[in-house]
Amino acid sequence: DGGITQSPKYLFRKEGQNVTLSCEQNLNHDAMYWYRQDPGQGLRLIYYSQIVNDFQKGDIAEGYSVSREKKESFPLTVTSAQKNPTAFYLCASSIWDSEAFFGQGTRLTVV
Amino acid sequence: DAKTTQPPSMDCAEGRAANLPCNHSTISGNEYVYWYRQIHSQGPQYIIHGLKNNETNEMASLIITEDRKSSTLILPHATLRDTAVYYCIVRFHNYGQNFVFGPGTRLSVLP
Repeated sequence: DGGITQSPKYLFRKEGQNVTLSCEQNLNHDAMYWYRQDPGQGLRLIYYSQIVNDFQKGDIAEGYSVSREKKESFPLTVTSAQKNPTAFYLCASSIWDSEAFFGQGTRLTVV
Repeated sequence: DAKTTQPPSMDCAEGRAANLPCNHSTISGNEYVYWYRQIHSQGPQYIIHGLKNNETNEMASLIITEDRKSSTLILPHATLRDTAVYYCIVRFHNYGQNFVFGPGTRLSVLP
């Protein structure tokens, strides 16, 4: 089935560690996005990519990094520079003139 | 920043129509209105989108005012499973355009 897959669903990180969240899509979408959601809040854009090997910072990019080496994949690394990484992370993909499809999210907790 | 304004919460009786308003007074002529919903701890789900004309699909109807400064999402027969946060978004259909989420409306469908 076509769709967008995030893994893992739950992730625990020790302070000072980098972690990478996976996002894969088989929808042949050019654009991919990463959002962060804190409890009771809306979604905030971290990074987005409109095409392979190109990506742009969103509103809250500090402490995060991404890569877009393949059209299907857009991994997000939460670095130790992110001071408050505990949150719900959502990945999405779209084409330029239609809706975005979202994954089911990764819940990251710092322990 | 989100270019839309929505009430923070609404209640609706089960079986009745749920009418969710959205103000987008600064919308440009080529910006589309999108609606998503998010059930707790899941990824947002696309509902419907439109430009000028009213739209209907199997999930909902979208009514856009003639001046396009506001819209209403209608769930014709709300069920308990429609309890969610509903987001209204405006977006150009151009390369590089993102989906900017505001805080949305928390709809509670009551038995």
